Amino acid sequence: DAKTTQPNSMESNEEEPVHLPCNHSTISGTDYIHWYRQLPSQGPEYVIHGLTSNVNNRMASLAIAEDRKSSTLILHRATLRDAAVYYCILRAAFTSGTYKYIFGTGTRLKVLA
Amino acid sequence: GAGVSQSPSNKVTEKGKDVELRCDPISGHTALYWYRQSLGQGLEFLIYFQGNSAPDKSGLPSDRFSAERTGGSVSTLTIQRTQQEDSAVYLCATNLQRTDGELFFGEGSRLTVL
Repeated sequence: DAKTTQPNSMESNEEEPVHLPCNHSTISGTDYIHWYRQLPSQGPEYVIHGLTSNVNNRMASLAIAEDRKSSTLILHRATLRDAAVYYCILRAAFTSGTYKYIFGTGTRLKVLA
Repeated sequence: GAGVSQSPSNKVTEKGKDVELRCDPISGHTALYWYRQSLGQGLEFLIYFQGNSAPDKSGLPSDRFSAERTGGSVSTLTIQRTQQEDSAVYLCATNLQRTDGELFFGEGSRLTVL
């Protein structure tokens, strides 16, 4: 199974952009890159996903390297509510038509007021 | 309800007892995943259902763990003869299995084995 590697923790100042990196050097051509975040005592929530092109939504942007071996989640203006553990995930497809979501270790983001 | 519902939210049990954890998916979601999250750790994949069948059981840690899904809806994760190392939050996630594949998670069931 393809794996992802993320820094254990990062800090950011409030109102500043945050760039959260993820390495996935063994990604295969059909694997989607997903990002989820987990607030304390809650289940993870979806943030964004992509395959090859960069993606933007109301929560964040996802920048995917040309070789797809790494990606970066960008929070444009961090707020205190963005403090969470961010997971970079590969959604792997199998020939049986099934899918598997492979979680990495996550990055704990601390936002400083 | 509108989201994925898990019960119980908290369960304290004695070592050796059996426990059942339940997951009610969002209506119409055909894919269902169980994960385990130990304290301070990431999510560990346990089992995946497509409809009522489980094509991937590779994550179940031992034969004490089993899961079933009926009517393509509710799923039950059963842990027999619980051990202290089974203490964790058990998370259920579901989706429509479309190309975009966004997962919707429940709040989890926190299991404590004394």
